[in-house]
Amino acid sequence: DAGVIQSPRHEVTEMGQEVTLRCKPISGHNSLFWYRQTMMRGLELLIYFNNNVPIDDSGMPEDRFSAKMPNASFSTLKIQPSEPRDSAVYFCASSLTIKNTEAFFGQGTRLTVV
Amino acid sequence: GESVGLHLPTLSVQEGDNSIINCAYSNSASDYFIWYKQESGKGPQFIIDIRSNMDKRQGQRVTVLLNKTVKHLSLQIAATQPGDSAVYFCAEVQGAQKLVFGQGTRLTINP
Repeated sequence: DAGVIQSPRHEVTEMGQEVTLRCKPISGHNSLFWYRQTMMRGLELLIYFNNNVPIDDSGMPEDRFSAKMPNASFSTLKIQPSEPRDSAVYFCASSLTIKNTEAFFGQGTRLTVV
Repeated sequence: GESVGLHLPTLSVQEGDNSIINCAYSNSASDYFIWYKQESGKGPQFIIDIRSNMDKRQGQRVTVLLNKTVKHLSLQIAATQPGDSAVYFCAEVQGAQKLVFGQGTRLTINP
C-alpha cells in the first residue's frame, strides 16, 4: 500500500484565494483525520471522519475552513478565503477503525499564504 | 482544560547512550497514550502506545512508562542511533478517537 497520499505537497497562494487540500486514505481504513501543524500550536486536530461521516469538527478554527469526505477513498480540506495565519503544514491521517488509534499520517501539505 | 505538554523542547545525547523523553498530561480520563516520531519533512510515525491500565510497555529498543498518579509519561530509547534523531510527540487519546498532541521534543544524537 502506498500509504496516505496528500496533494499538493506544497501550496503557495495569495491572501483571499481559495485553497483545497486533498487526501487519499489507506484502502480499507474507516477513520480519517485532518491535522494542522505550526511551531506555535503544534499538532492540532481539525476534524475527523468515521465511515465518511464527520464525527468531531470542534477543532476547525473558523467558518472559512470546511472538510468533506464524499467517499471512502477521498477527502478535502478547503479554506476560503485564505489568510496568512493559515500558513502551516496540514496532515491527513487514517486508521483502521474508530477504536484503533494507530493512525498513519501522510507527508503533509505545506501551505503558505502570502 | 485539556492539555498535553513536554518538559524539554530539545534533548541531545551521545550515540549509543540511552535517552528519556518526558511528557505531562492533564486529562485523567484519557483511554491511552501514544508516542510518535516525526522526521524532517515527514508526517508523524507511530512508535508505541500504552493503555491507561498499564504502567509499562516495551518495544524494540523503546520503553514507555506511565505514571497516572502524577500524570506523567516517558519514552525511553535504548542505545540511541543517528536514525533516532527526530521530534518526538506524546499524544493523549480521549473519548472515541480524539488524539491530542504535545508540543514535541527534538532529539539530537551526537556522534
